[in-house]
Amino acid sequence: KQEVTQIPAALSVPEGENLVLNCSFTDSAIYNLQWFRQDPGKGLTSLLLIQSSQREQTSGRLNASLDKSSGRSTLYIAASQPGDSATYLCAVMGARGSARQLTFGSGTQLTVLP
Amino acid sequence: NAGVTQTPKFRVLKTGQSMTLLCAQDMNHEYMYWYRQDPGMGLRLIHYSVGEGTTAKGEVPDGYNVSRLKKQNFLLGLESAAPSQTSVYFCASNTWGRQETQYFGPGTRLLVL
Repeated sequence: KQEVTQIPAALSVPEGENLVLNCSFTDSAIYNLQWFRQDPGKGLTSLLLIQSSQREQTSGRLNASLDKSSGRSTLYIAASQPGDSATYLCAVMGARGSARQLTFGSGTQLTVLP
Repeated sequence: NAGVTQTPKFRVLKTGQSMTLLCAQDMNHEYMYWYRQDPGMGLRLIHYSVGEGTTAKGEVPDGYNVSRLKKQNFLLGLESAAPSQTSVYFCASNTWGRQETQYFGPGTRLLVL
């Protein structure tokens, strides 16, 4: 059974800092890995999707890497802003079976202080 | 284009009552999913559907039933609500293909007393 772990559970940084969020997964048989953002009381918004054959994806100040063999991914946020405050969720789409199921980590709650 | 919508937004039930949560998507997606989110546990898959008329169990299906009579709608039913079903429920959908992310609804907050 796939298990996804995110470290740290919570993080507080001053505005302007670069930061890294970590995600690890136990089964390397995946189609892709996705990072989502969740604001309080809201749904999830997709940030980045990395295919299993890719090493990284970039969108603006966000960069996500994937090392499938070691079961790790990182989300790098450059020059953090108070508007980046949210919970960041990592999810992997398993390649076993017919369904496109996502397994989620429990998230990292990020607070960027002005 | 509304994306994924969920009704209701919030509901309070008494133990033993029943209710149905409705999810609708206007993106012509084949796949639809129901998740629950509990504090500190991330999202867990309840049931999913790979097309109209099909449903399958996810990680935590007990106490829930689903139906997908129309491609755009996915219903989640609680026949006899229990306090353990107090949670936030999210619906999601996506189309065929490994590169497609899931699109999420805004969630339904359910409190079972």
